[in-house]
Amino acid sequence: EVHLVETGGGLIQPGGALRLSCAVSGLSVSTTYMSWVRLAPGKGLEWVSVIHVDDKTYHADFVKGRFTISKDKSKNMVYLQMNNLRADDTAVYYCARELDGFFDHWGQGTLVSVSS
Amino acid sequence: ETVMTQSPATLSVSPGERATLSCRASQTVSSNLAWYQKKPGQAPRPLIYGASSRATGVPARFSGSGSGTEFTLTISSLQSEDSAVYYCQQYDNWPGYTFGQGTKLEI
Repeated sequence: EVHLVETGGGLIQPGGALRLSCAVSGLSVSTTYMSWVRLAPGKGLEWVSVIHVDDKTYHADFVKGRFTISKDKSKNMVYLQMNNLRADDTAVYYCARELDGFFDHWGQGTLVSVSS
Repeated sequence: ETVMTQSPATLSVSPGERATLSCRASQTVSSNLAWYQKKPGQAPRPLIYGASSRATGVPARFSGSGSGTEFTLTISSLQSEDSAVYYCQQYDNWPGYTFGQGTKLEI
């Protein structure tokens, strides 16, 4: 059975940084695409970042240059380093497995609140 | 970027009836369209991929149709547990997968 568990969210001031972690079990991050998707208050789901099997990464324009996705194959973990956070980054961040573009497994999410 | 537009924003339907949710893409996405169910405090639940294929464990009451730019999610024999926000997502045009703004379904 596949489980994704996100941690690392919290309250942070604008301009601050956080690192989210996603612990993966039941599948290997070495052989699958992993993404971060967020849900902001009053808004819809937004794809944030993806890391491919070959370690290539892609980010949505609204986080480009501020967020970085990475993975640790030995720990079967995926991370999202978020720098220079803004109020509009406030959201629940979900880790999700991507299968040919479709997100078939999701974690429960971790809340990031950016506020002074 | 492919913009996904869902309608209506809110839909109220009685138990036992059928709900029809629409999703339109700003450019063709072929059949690379998924639907998700989102309840408060829960992870998004995958429902449909490839426009019409049900994800694992999804009951047959949920069905998807369409291709190109127009898509529909139909939920028959509605139950109170179907109350949720439903999102469509395109995964045809890269870079950047995009979601619709959601349809809130009230039973």
